[in-house]
Amino acid sequence: IAGITQAPTSQILAAGRRMTLRCTQDMRHNAMYWYRQDLGLGLRLIHYSNTAGTTGKGEVPDGYSVSRANTDDFPLTLASAVPSQTSVYFCASSRLAVNTGELFFGEGSRLTVL
Amino acid sequence: KQEVTQIPAALSVPEGENLVLNCSFTDSAIYNLQWFRQDPGKGLTSLLLIQSSQREQTSGRLNASLDKSSGRSTLYIAASQPGDSATYLCAVNTIQGAQKLVFGQGTRLTINP
Repeated sequence: IAGITQAPTSQILAAGRRMTLRCTQDMRHNAMYWYRQDLGLGLRLIHYSNTAGTTGKGEVPDGYSVSRANTDDFPLTLASAVPSQTSVYFCASSRLAVNTGELFFGEGSRLTVL
Repeated sequence: KQEVTQIPAALSVPEGENLVLNCSFTDSAIYNLQWFRQDPGKGLTSLLLIQSSQREQTSGRLNASLDKSSGRSTLYIAASQPGDSATYLCAVNTIQGAQKLVFGQGTRLTINP
């Protein structure tokens, strides 16, 4: 079934550790996104990529980095995790970047930083 | 800066009722507006996408309307069922800084059997 796969689905992490959340899509979409969802704050964009080889900062990029080496993969890295990064992280994709059209989401990665 | 508001934050109705969820946005310069459904512990599922040139979109028992000039969209659910219980979010794709969707906080809908 075509879609977005995120891993891990859940992780508990000690503060200061490095963590990479993986995201893979098989729809050959050009644009990919990372959001975090927090109670009372809704969904906020962390980083995005309009096409392979390019990335951009979203609303809350500090403490996170991304790469887009190919069309399918868009990993999100926390270089040194802090408790405020405890959240549910969603990867999403769309066929186009501007006037994105329909946005497709993964099932999320629940991260707890202690 | 685009702001998206959804009212009410929560809604509980008996099965079979027709209902309307509301979404308002502050900047009418948009490409499109999307309605999503989110079940507890799950990702978001796209329900309807309305382009800025459209007034409404329909899918089954769902109908979404868009009034761009007034900054409003509604999601109409006909003959509600317990399986419709979920959080419904709207998101606006804004032309200015159009690298992201701006999401509302969602309406948590409960349909009582």
